[in-house]
Amino acid sequence: DTEVTQTPKHLVMGMTNKKSLKCEQHMGHRAMYWYKQKAKKPPELMFVYSYEKLSINESVPSRFSPECPNSSLLNLHLHALQPEDSALYLCASSQGRGGGMETQYFGPGTRLLVL
Amino acid sequence: QKEVEQNSGPLSVPEGAIASLNCTYSDRGSQSFFWYRQYSGKSPELIMSIYSNGDKEDGRFTAQLNKASQYVSLLIRDSQPSDSATYLCAVVFNNAGNMLTFGGGTRLMVKP
Repeated sequence: DTEVTQTPKHLVMGMTNKKSLKCEQHMGHRAMYWYKQKAKKPPELMFVYSYEKLSINESVPSRFSPECPNSSLLNLHLHALQPEDSALYLCASSQGRGGGMETQYFGPGTRLLVL
Repeated sequence: QKEVEQNSGPLSVPEGAIASLNCTYSDRGSQSFFWYRQYSGKSPELIMSIYSNGDKEDGRFTAQLNKASQYVSLLIRDSQPSDSATYLCAVVFNNAGNMLTFGGGTRLMVKP
């Protein structure tokens, strides 16, 4: 089973709202990732969690706040977003053993629209 | 600046033909290479991974890696209209942990 799930599938929010995106995997993976993908562009890495600790933050604005409550769950808390933050947000996971040869498996994504 | 380059396409091939997708990368020390397929509005789906020079075959797909030339390709035999998608090449650069750097993707159109 190589399934990563994400909720919600779609989200519309105003610039003053607070919302959260959720990601879950039950593959025993210890590395989890958030990506942002704009139309006709490749995914851009936002955050990496390794063994529930934030290991990489790719200079993401503070209006995006990641959280990893346990090894299966990854959240992305959103606050005071801008219309240009509208995108497909992808979660991925991998084994987390390091070594650079791990496959990342992507969830279906959350399509976010900021009005 | 470490980069992964792909021709954006669209690459148009007739049904039943071989589609050849190419990718070059800038870091000679790169160790892991992945091809993902992404349908419009969907998330990337892993097609192949390759780590050693040479060819790796899986069904209708063959990945080819040439580290000396810093080149990785994906061949799709007997192309089907359902193969029409964007194909993303992703590379793990040397000393980058498991961080993927994606190319811009090549859009493939298979015409019936």
